[in-house]
Amino acid sequence: DIQMTQSPLSLSASVGDRVTITCRASQGIRNYVAWFQQKPGKAPKSLIFSASRLQAGVPSRFSGGGSGTDFTLTISGLQPDDFATYYCQQYYSFPWTFGQGTKVEFK
Amino acid sequence: QVQLQESGPGLVKPSETLSLTCTVSGASINSRSHYWTWIRQPPGKGLEWIGYVYYSGTTNYNPSLKSRVTISVDTSTQHFSLSLRSMTAADTAMYYCARVLQPKWELPYLDFWGQGILVTVSS
Repeated sequence: DIQMTQSPLSLSASVGDRVTITCRASQGIRNYVAWFQQKPGKAPKSLIFSASRLQAGVPSRFSGGGSGTDFTLTISGLQPDDFATYYCQQYYSFPWTFGQGTKVEFK
Repeated sequence: QVQLQESGPGLVKPSETLSLTCTVSGASINSRSHYWTWIRQPPGKGLEWIGYVYYSGTTNYNPSLKSRVTISVDTSTQHFSLSLRSMTAADTAMYYCARVLQPKWELPYLDFWGQGILVTVSS
């Protein structure tokens, strides 16, 4: 199975900050990475696919990048609604696997 | 707007079989462009992909669960289902159904999720 390792596992930030989360795959996965946002007690919401393409309706302050083994999710100008846990996921090969999650908390 | 809604028991006894159903609205489960999948999340832990089914009945399962899992689809009722046999405490989790988009010339990816259903395994 491909392991997805996220860092950091948690971070504290303020409204307006630029936040970057990193996800590293245990082998090359081209650009087959998705990112999800999950708030407490809620289902995950799809944010990004193909490493950098935003799902419909996702604000442009979210951006993704990377290819191969290293990927990033950046939130430019953190908003109160963005405090949540973020997961990366690879869909390059089966079984699909997820990162451990990064919790973005209010500083 | 696509909506997926899980239903089933919230409590299952050890060694029994879990049966969950996902009802799809706002999209056709007969679509050639989508798969239908189950994912679970133990309390306080990360996400684990269980498997998916295509409208034709074709399935793909996580090898870690393959011996205990069956995912099926009923196109006449817009439902797809999960059956997980020989349940143990380790199977206690939030179970999500979700839709997978199969674009042309690209690999399929998740786009919409249900709200989830908490299943506890306990006697």
